[in-house]
Amino acid sequence: EPEVTQTPSHQVTQMGQEVILRCVPISNHLYFYWYRQILGQKVEFLVSFYNNEISEKSEIFDDQFSVERPDGSNFTLKIRSTKLEDSAMYFCASSEGAWDTEAFFGQGTRLTVV
Amino acid sequence: TQLLEQSPQFLSIQEGENLTVYCNSSSVFSSLQWYRQEPGEGPVLLVTVVTGGEVKKLKRLTFQFGDARKDSSLHITAAQPGDTGLYLCAGAGAGGTSYGKLTFGQGTILTVHP
Repeated sequence: EPEVTQTPSHQVTQMGQEVILRCVPISNHLYFYWYRQILGQKVEFLVSFYNNEISEKSEIFDDQFSVERPDGSNFTLKIRSTKLEDSAMYFCASSEGAWDTEAFFGQGTRLTVV
Repeated sequence: TQLLEQSPQFLSIQEGENLTVYCNSSSVFSSLQWYRQEPGEGPVLLVTVVTGGEVKKLKRLTFQFGDARKDSSLHITAAQPGDTGLYLCAGAGAGGTSYGKLTFGQGTILTVHP
């Protein structure tokens, strides 16, 4: 069964360093998303991406964040200068459509900023 | 800001009992999804409801979307220990937001004791 895959599963980085989280969405899906979940809190929307551009972003997604689809299969989230409060599980998701979407999530990347 | 209030946050029951989890909002959603999330993993989609008043059944799980598409419920009949986990509701398309942005509830942690 097709699935969204994320790498790495766990990333530890020092505060101020840049990290890139990688995702391979389901191949026939057109909409891609990043969400994050701080330990013990809700899953929060970060950004949606369609047709090679950001469709919508939340207030969390500030200038330190960027997304890219560098080729036909990968979808990346870059955090430029990590802060302690960026520590969270980051989930990539993809969907075929938008309005009546069924979003399928990857297993997540646990980012720990020390 | 669209909010989804999920209740109860914690539910501890004995095997064989029935339970209902509620998801309420003041916003109208174009669709509502229920996920189950295991520790350290991404949310796994259980069902999507799209039409107001819609009822979907998945074995012992019954999902209902309110007539006004502002609320939903998950009912489990004859709960089993294997049902133990975190259940999340997530709404899409509220307030004209585009491209599948999901607003998540805070989740219900269900524990079913043998």
